Amino acid sequence: ELKVEQNPLFLSMQEGKNYTIYCNYSTTSDRLYWYRQDPGKSLESLFVLLSNGAVKQEGRLMASLDTKARLSTLHITAAVHDLSATYFCAVDWAGTASKLTFGTGTRLQVTL
Amino acid sequence: KAGVTQTPRYLIKTRGQQVTLSCSPISGHRSVSWYQQTPGQGLQFLFEYFSETQRNKGNFPGRFSGRQFSNSRSEMNVSTLELGDSALYLCASRGVPGELFFGEGSRLTVL
Repeated sequence: ELKVEQNPLFLSMQEGKNYTIYCNYSTTSDRLYWYRQDPGKSLESLFVLLSNGAVKQEGRLMASLDTKARLSTLHITAAVHDLSATYFCAVDWAGTASKLTFGTGTRLQVTL
Repeated sequence: KAGVTQTPRYLIKTRGQQVTLSCSPISGHRSVSWYQQTPGQGLQFLFEYFSETQRNKGNFPGRFSGRQFSNSRSEMNVSTLELGDSALYLCASRGVPGELFFGEGSRLTVL
């Protein structure tokens, strides 16, 4: 069975702190996506990681992919309140972005 | 550039009824996929269409169906609605190199 696990499920952190969200998956894949979702809203694409060792950064967020370990991380640097949202990783088993398997999501709450 | 457009945004139905949701992808995108999001099951893949053909299907009962038109617009239909079908239905349009862009979703409530 294809499984994608995220941890933690819920993360409360203070502004200015650093933290990492982990995404583990059960079967080999070279493509992994990170999305952000605000309450009641759709999914916003953050990163597309297309190969082993891929690292992408945008502002205070940095994502990496280790296909050998079947692990992706989303690192948050010096969190700000605007980053409060739910973050999902999704694995593309077919390699065509046709069918993604999503993780459970990590609800991030950044407090002042 | 217009994004992915889904209609209707909100709808309320009763058990046993059927519903049709529409999705217009980003201009030039030929692949449209559908996902269901519920608090209990999370985000689950329903199906994907490319050039009017269903290419992938998730593990949903036959009550869930879809189609795609020649202009790449897609519709999904759920027949004989059940309470558990209440969800946010998201449509995604695929660009290159395989990035998915999601619409705002259609929130279905079944009473």
